[in-house]
Amino acid sequence: GAVVSQHPSWVICKSGTSVKIECRSLDFQATTMFWYRQFPKQSLMLMATSNEGSKATYEQGVEKDKFLINHASLTLSTLTVTSAHPEDSSFYICSARKSAAGDSYEQYFGPGTRLTVT
Amino acid sequence: EDQVTQSPEALRLQEGESSSLNCSYTVSGLRGLFWYRQDPGKGPEFLFTLYSAGEEKEKERLKATLTKKESFLHITAPKPEDSATYLCAVRGGYQKVTFGTGTKLQVIP
Repeated sequence: GAVVSQHPSWVICKSGTSVKIECRSLDFQATTMFWYRQFPKQSLMLMATSNEGSKATYEQGVEKDKFLINHASLTLSTLTVTSAHPEDSSFYICSARKSAAGDSYEQYFGPGTRLTVT
Repeated sequence: EDQVTQSPEALRLQEGESSSLNCSYTVSGLRGLFWYRQDPGKGPEFLFTLYSAGEEKEKERLKATLTKKESFLHITAPKPEDSATYLCAVRGGYQKVTFGTGTKLQVIP
C-alpha cells in the first residue's frame, strides 16, 4: 500500500496566528514530499518540494518565510503557515513519493487539510 | 512551460452510458502522464501512469490511453460510485508535475 495521512483534517484559526499541518507516509518511506494548495474548482498548485534532511524548494511566488516546511524524517513533513491571513484560507494537500522508486514519479496524496482563517 | 488542458469541465452520464475524458498536453520531454481521481474534500487517489504513446492501462471500468498530444480516460458502463473529479497531470523534462483543472463526472442512477 501507499497511505499518506494529514493532520489536522480541518482547522480554524484567527488572523495573525500560526498553524502547523503534518503529513505522514504510514507504510512507506518518502525521501520527497510535496505540498499543494487547491482553491475551489481549480487545479492543484504546487507550493514546494520537500526533501528529507534538506531545505525545501519553493515554487515561484510562494513565500518561504510564510510557509515553513520541515522534512525531518523519511515519514514526516510539516507545513507551518505563519501569521495567517484570511487569504491563506484554502485546502492544503501533501503528497509523497516512494523512496528507491526508480524513475517512477507516482505521488500518493494525503486527504488534505481545510484551513480557514478568520 | 508545460501545460495540461482537460475537457470537458463537467460531464453528466446515465448509469451504463460509456464515455471518454480528454487530457491534452504540451510538455518538454514527457516523463510520465498521470491520472488521479479526487472525491470532494479529499486528496487525489492515484489511478494510472502512462509513459509512452500507444500505451494503455486498465482498472475495472477505467481505461487510460496515450498519444503524443493527448490522453483519454475511457469509462465503460459507469456506475454512480464513479462520480468524482478526474485529474490529469504530466511530468516533463524539468521534473515538475503539472496538473490540469480536472473533469467533474456525475453518473446518474
